[in-house]
Amino acid sequence: DVKVTQSSRYLVKRTGEKVFLECVQDMDHENMFWYRQDPGLGLRLIYFSYDVKMKEKGDIPEGYSVSREKKERFSLILESASTNQTSMYLCASSFRQPQHFGDGTRLSIL
Amino acid sequence: AQTVTQSQPEMSVQEAETVTLSCTYDTSENNYYLFWYKQPPSRQMILVIRQEAYKQQNATENRFSVNFQKAAKSFSLKISDSQLGDTAMYFCAFMKGINTNAGKSTFGDGTTLTVKP
Repeated sequence: DVKVTQSSRYLVKRTGEKVFLECVQDMDHENMFWYRQDPGLGLRLIYFSYDVKMKEKGDIPEGYSVSREKKERFSLILESASTNQTSMYLCASSFRQPQHFGDGTRLSIL
Repeated sequence: AQTVTQSQPEMSVQEAETVTLSCTYDTSENNYYLFWYKQPPSRQMILVIRQEAYKQQNATENRFSVNFQKAAKSFSLKISDSQLGDTAMYFCAFMKGINTNAGKSTFGDGTTLTVKP
């Protein structure tokens, strides 16, 4: 079975901090994704990557950046965290389809 | 751009009964995939069922089946013999192409299903 592991289930940070969310997959998938999930808004794509060092903006990239230095790891970076970035963050990976998801990180920015 | 609409934010069903979740989508593509994903409370999102647009036959996975109406751009999920473990948020998702777009999907807003004992 595909395993997608997100480094933290819960995270509390302060406004203005630089925040790193890490995601690792063990199935050699080319594609990796970061979403945020908010009530009533479904899943919104922040960034995705289809290869090492490659990245593309999703629907809501503002305030975020990503890094993919190795195939198995895809990091989401909040350069200067703000309270409106409090949310559930989901990482996913895929080879074509479907997507395989991690457990999610519930991030609170105080 | 593709859109996916789930018109039922919340639904409930009695255990052992049947429930249908609705999903409509908008696209000009001819080749695409449709998915239903399940997210149980505080647990990982997993794939329930998938449908390839070029296949006319509706997909079935045990108690889960879909009614795929390509012309109407409708993709509903039927859960038969509902079980307490089916309580979850269900997301409908669209992925265009077969070998393109690196597997990027568009998700609906989700339907929260509660199965009552």
